[in-house]
Amino acid sequence: ILNVEQSPQSLHVQEGDSTNFTCSFPSSNFYALHWYRWETAKSPEALFVMTLNGDEKKKGRISATLNTKEGYSYLYIKGSQPEDSATYLCAFIDTGRRALTFGSGTRLQVQP
Amino acid sequence: DTEVTQTPKHLVMGMTNKKSLKCEQHMGHRAMYWYKQKAKKPPELMFVYSYEKLSINESVPSRFSPECPNSSLLNLHLHALQPEDSALYLCASSQQGITSYGYTFGSGTRLTVV
Repeated sequence: ILNVEQSPQSLHVQEGDSTNFTCSFPSSNFYALHWYRWETAKSPEALFVMTLNGDEKKKGRISATLNTKEGYSYLYIKGSQPEDSATYLCAFIDTGRRALTFGSGTRLQVQP
Repeated sequence: DTEVTQTPKHLVMGMTNKKSLKCEQHMGHRAMYWYKQKAKKPPELMFVYSYEKLSINESVPSRFSPECPNSSLLNLHLHALQPEDSALYLCASSQQGITSYGYTFGSGTRLTVV
């Protein structure tokens, strides 16, 4: 059973705050690490696909880093806006199974 | 077309009913997935189809029966479900192999078994 953990479970921040979340995953048999953003009543939306140790990806105010040797990834949001309110899921793919195993998510609420 | 379409959006069924969930994509993705998500839990993988062949079955009970009639369609046939099967059922698709784009998810079917 693959163990993908995310912290914190939930986060309330003020508009303009910067924030970050953690995803930890098995460091062996690494294939890829995905980040998704899931707003209520919508589909999960892919943010980043990360495959190489040391990868850093950026999309607007959101960025992510990857450390496959120690098994963690960070997601950063700079200057949070109310529209960033969503659940952020990380998902791990190992070389054997080749399908996403999700963490339990971090629920972000940004107050105006 | 860059979407995965799932129908119906909501379904209420009795324990003796037979129903089907449908999923459709026209992005040319050759991998398709069914996930089940219960409240406050992460989505859990049920089935994976690769080139229209079942490649992963996560020991799902036989009351759930997947079908992939062609490269664009994925069905999930439901029969004799239990109330604990009530959940959000998500379909997704992706390119094969390492992809820069991640999975494309549908918005799900909210299933209630009564």
